[in-house]
Amino acid sequence: EVQLVQTGVEVKKPGESLNISCKSSGYSFSNYWIGWVRQAPGKGLECMGIIYPGDSDPRYSPSFEGQVTISSDKSITTAYLQWNSLKASDSAMYYCARLSAAPGEGFDYWGQGTLVTVSS
Amino acid sequence: DVVMTQSPLSLPVTLGQPASISCRSSQGLVYSDGNTYLSWFQQRPGQSPRRLLYRVSNRDSGVPDRFSGSGSGTDFTLKISTVQAEDVGVYYCMQGSQWPWTFGQGTKVEIK
Repeated sequence: EVQLVQTGVEVKKPGESLNISCKSSGYSFSNYWIGWVRQAPGKGLECMGIIYPGDSDPRYSPSFEGQVTISSDKSITTAYLQWNSLKASDSAMYYCARLSAAPGEGFDYWGQGTLVTVSS
Repeated sequence: DVVMTQSPLSLPVTLGQPASISCRSSQGLVYSDGNTYLSWFQQRPGQSPRRLLYRVSNRDSGVPDRFSGSGSGTDFTLKISTVQAEDVGVYYCMQGSQWPWTFGQGTKVEIK
């Protein structure tokens, strides 16, 4: 059974750094792209970027390039989303999701989400 | 970026009646391999999104056959043949033909 299990709730202050994780199991982690999707409070879904764990090759949406870092560690089948300096506007639910074998077909399995709150 | 525009944004439906959601893209979604990468997702209240359909009309495993997708080029439709109580939620279309992949704004389906 394919499963993606994410870090729990995070509460941070502006300017702090954060690294959230997404642990995958039940499939060949190296062979499927993983993506991160943001959902701001009461808003829709935004694709932030994707990474191919086989070679740790990330691809960012222009809206998020330079704002976050996406990485992966295939030895522990885990993907990461990192911020160096959080802003209040980063407060959102963040989902990791696996892409289909044909990546354009979209995200076929999703994590449960990580709620990030950034407040002074 | 390809802009995905859904309508309506809110859809009150009577149980057992059909529902239809439109999704229009600002550019054609036929990829260089000949496929059209348009997917539909359902997000029930308090849950993670779930993919229902991919490549316009292919249903994911476990998705009831009352959900169907159609369309081509820039104009796509999700239909629910008879709305059930468990269909309440927000529905999103997403294009995977041109990076960055983009979602529609979402359509909230509720029971009248």
